[in-house]
Amino acid sequence: GDSVTQMEGPVTLSEEAFLTINCTYTATGYPSPFWYVQYPGEGLQLLLKATKADDKGSNKGFEATYRKETTSFHLEKGSVQVSDSAVYFCALSASAGGTSYGKLTFGQGTILTVHP
Amino acid sequence: DGGITQSPKYLFRKEGQNVTLSCEQNLNHDAMYWYRQDPGQGLRLIYYSQIVNDFQKGDIAEGYSVSREKKESFPLTVTSAQKNPTAFYLCASSPRFGGYNSPLHFGNGTRLTVT
Repeated sequence: GDSVTQMEGPVTLSEEAFLTINCTYTATGYPSPFWYVQYPGEGLQLLLKATKADDKGSNKGFEATYRKETTSFHLEKGSVQVSDSAVYFCALSASAGGTSYGKLTFGQGTILTVHP
Repeated sequence: DGGITQSPKYLFRKEGQNVTLSCEQNLNHDAMYWYRQDPGQGLRLIYYSQIVNDFQKGDIAEGYSVSREKKESFPLTVTSAQKNPTAFYLCASSPRFGGYNSPLHFGNGTRLTVT
């Protein structure tokens, strides 16, 4: 089946540091990758997504490029803020020939803490 | 504002009791999902429903049951058969089932503690 592997955390950074959280996957069909963010005590929110190979998703200063050749969707931000402290999940939805396999497969999550 | 409401936020039960978690959405979404979140394990799919009166087992359905009698509601019952029920439960919905243009919308979760 499909699987998603995320960089293990926790990750601790100082404010304005550069962030990279690695995400690689194995999937059948045509995967569509996502990044979700979970703030303390809340559910998950969609952060960004990509729909085809070499697509770059971006939102709130975060970016991720869907690299089909390396089966990766690494999350980056040039300058993190204290408010970015959260858990970040990489996820994958796979489909083939226009038929969706449906459910998302999630990575284990990466805890990010940003200090002032 | 449209969204997903999960209640209660915290739930405590004694071992051996069944408990039902509520999930209501006013987004007019067809598909609904239940996930379980445990520390360091990401999210695991319990059940999902693509349409009213239909639902399918996910990866860890044993010890759980669901119903989908209305489009807006997808309650989850944690039965006494679930061996390790203490967890954070997340309900989600999407306009249709799966695909890149159907990202999931999540509720704020219910933390269940069974002692």
